[in-house]
Amino acid sequence: AQSVTQPDIHITVSEGASLELRCNYSYGATPYLFWYVQSPGQGLQLLLKYFSGDTLVQGIKGFEAEFKRSQSSFNLRKPSVHWSDAAEYFCAVGVRGYQKVTFGIGTKLQVIP
Amino acid sequence: DAGITQSPRHKVTETGTPVTLRCHQTENHRYMYWYRQDPGHGLRLIHYSYGVKDTDKGEVSDGYSVSRSKTEDFLLTLESATSSQTSVYFCAISVGQDTDTQYFGPGTRLTVL
Repeated sequence: AQSVTQPDIHITVSEGASLELRCNYSYGATPYLFWYVQSPGQGLQLLLKYFSGDTLVQGIKGFEAEFKRSQSSFNLRKPSVHWSDAAEYFCAVGVRGYQKVTFGIGTKLQVIP
Repeated sequence: DAGITQSPRHKVTETGTPVTLRCHQTENHRYMYWYRQDPGHGLRLIHYSYGVKDTDKGEVSDGYSVSRSKTEDFLLTLESATSSQTSVYFCAISVGQDTDTQYFGPGTRLTVL
């Protein structure tokens, strides 16, 4: 079965600084990979997804993620963080045809002025 | 907006009482899911459905049952609520050809006293 590890539970960055959130997955074949964001009291919103092709994926709100098969990673990046990016971020992995995804435990991002 | 609503949005109940949560979608998607979200655990799949009257268990299905008598509605029932079922419950759907891409409802916060 597939699994996802988000090694950082909390991250604090200054507004305007760059951001990288880590995600490692475990699965034998090429997975489907997702990043979701959850603002306080809200549902999860899809930021971006990787199915195949170009390993650098662009998403909404200025986020991007890079699939690195050799490292089993799918890290989320943003060059300049805004205060409104403070939220919890979830990485998820799926398998073609399996119709289910597995979520990581989330990384809570705090943005300081 | 994936056209998903959940009701109720908040509920407080007592141990031992039955509780039913409703998920409603407006676009006739085949796959629907129920998750619970707890700190330190991310999202965990409770049950999912792949069509009317077709359901299957997820990783944390004990104490929960589901029903889907119409494409648009997916019900989650706690037959006899326990304090360990205090959580935030999210419904999700898979959309279109990318059936591994899930979109989430706004959530239901359930407190069992």
